[in-house]
Amino acid sequence: DSGVTQTPKHLITATGQRVTLRCSPRSGDLSVYWYQQSLDQGLQFLIQYYNGEERAKGNILERFSAQQFPDLHSELNLSSLELGDSALYFCASGGQGWTEAFFGQGTRLTVV
Amino acid sequence: AQSVTQLGSHVSVSEGALVLLRCNYSSSVPPYLFWYVQYPNQGLQLLLKYTTGATLVKGINGFEAEFKKSETSFHLTKPSAHMSDAAEYFCAVKGVTGGGNKLTFGTGTQLKVEL
Repeated sequence: DSGVTQTPKHLITATGQRVTLRCSPRSGDLSVYWYQQSLDQGLQFLIQYYNGEERAKGNILERFSAQQFPDLHSELNLSSLELGDSALYFCASGGQGWTEAFFGQGTRLTVV
Repeated sequence: AQSVTQLGSHVSVSEGALVLLRCNYSSSVPPYLFWYVQYPNQGLQLLLKYTTGATLVKGINGFEAEFKKSETSFHLTKPSAHMSDAAEYFCAVKGVTGGGNKLTFGTGTQLKVEL
């Protein structure tokens, strides 16, 4: 158990809809990272938050947004969903100056 | 910018044989390097990491990797493969981007272990 909790584990939704993925980092970790894993793109970095502030942005679509709350949990919002958004979405957390990132079990999103 | 190249998207070995998964990195600063393993329908689990110090690092499940700066490599090895090692393996490098940091992953190597 990595200590990083992601909910839900599975999500099936229709095209055009909006979903929210949730991540609770390890206790004490201030950084949260979101990654998308798909067969054609591999593991793609989406965004990093540190103590509530956005710190780094990767290949995140404009239809996607994220935030980190005062209790340090984070949410990834995906809107106007398309079939191609079907993927495994991972959250990871790390402490300041971390030498190891801990990954959650992921949320498998299926858009139909 | 940092990047990682994993040679061989699929590797097949016999049980008891040597496992060698290749990873080359590119980094403008001294790298932090990682190997993660992903079992089917599961998350990423850290196998081992190199940050500073000893260049031969040992990880879980009998795996080890050697950081070779001159070759910009961080290959993963295990002397004797076990059926339970069948999984996908990812090499990653920690890098700085904008005001933050991230892990950049390779494309992964699927390891198959045969009887």
